[in-house]
Amino acid sequence: AQSVTQPDIHITVSEGASLELRCNYSYGATPYLFWYVQSPGQGLQLLLKYFSGDTLVQGIKGFEAEFKRSQSSFNLRKPSVHWSDAAEYFCAVRYMGRRALTFGSGTRLQVQP
Amino acid sequence: EAQVTQNPRYLITVTGKKLTVTCSQNMNHEYMSWYRQDPGLGLRQIYYSMNVEVTDKGDVPEGYKVSRKEKRNFPLILESPSPNQTSLYFCASSLFASDTGGSGVNEQFFGPGTRLTVL
Repeated sequence: AQSVTQPDIHITVSEGASLELRCNYSYGATPYLFWYVQSPGQGLQLLLKYFSGDTLVQGIKGFEAEFKRSQSSFNLRKPSVHWSDAAEYFCAVRYMGRRALTFGSGTRLQVQP
Repeated sequence: EAQVTQNPRYLITVTGKKLTVTCSQNMNHEYMSWYRQDPGLGLRQIYYSMNVEVTDKGDVPEGYKVSRKEKRNFPLILESPSPNQTSLYFCASSLFASDTGGSGVNEQFFGPGTRLTVL
């Protein structure tokens, strides 16, 4: 069964510091990979996605993610975090030919001034 | 504005009282889906629909029903709610139900969520 692991439940960084959120997915066929952000009381907003091609993908709000097939990872990065980035972040995977989108359990990001 | 809407946004009910949470999208999407979100578990798929009159179970379908009589609407029905169905529910839709060779059109768009409490 496909699965997604986000090993960090909660991360705190200082404003202006760099950020990396980890995501590992279970090995399978061609994965489609997504990062979503959920601000408090809000729905999910797509940050970026990877389907094929360049393994470094750029998203909205200055985020990027790198797909590493050898490590089954799709880590999310941002060079300089802003206070407004405080939210919960979800990694998700869907395999080609399958309908289900499987989510990780989420990483809650707190930003210190 | 392209969007997925859900109603109600908040609902408190009692065990056994039938309820329906509506979901509507205005993007002419084929695929629609319901998820529940629980702390520490992320989002888990309840039911999905590939197109009108085509629905199927997701990972946690017990206690839920759905219908897809029109393309834009995908209501979630709890015939006899129980306290373990207290959760945050999200409806989502995507343009196509089938893959398109990685063209990137199949990301899901989410509604704002419905917070349900069953006493």
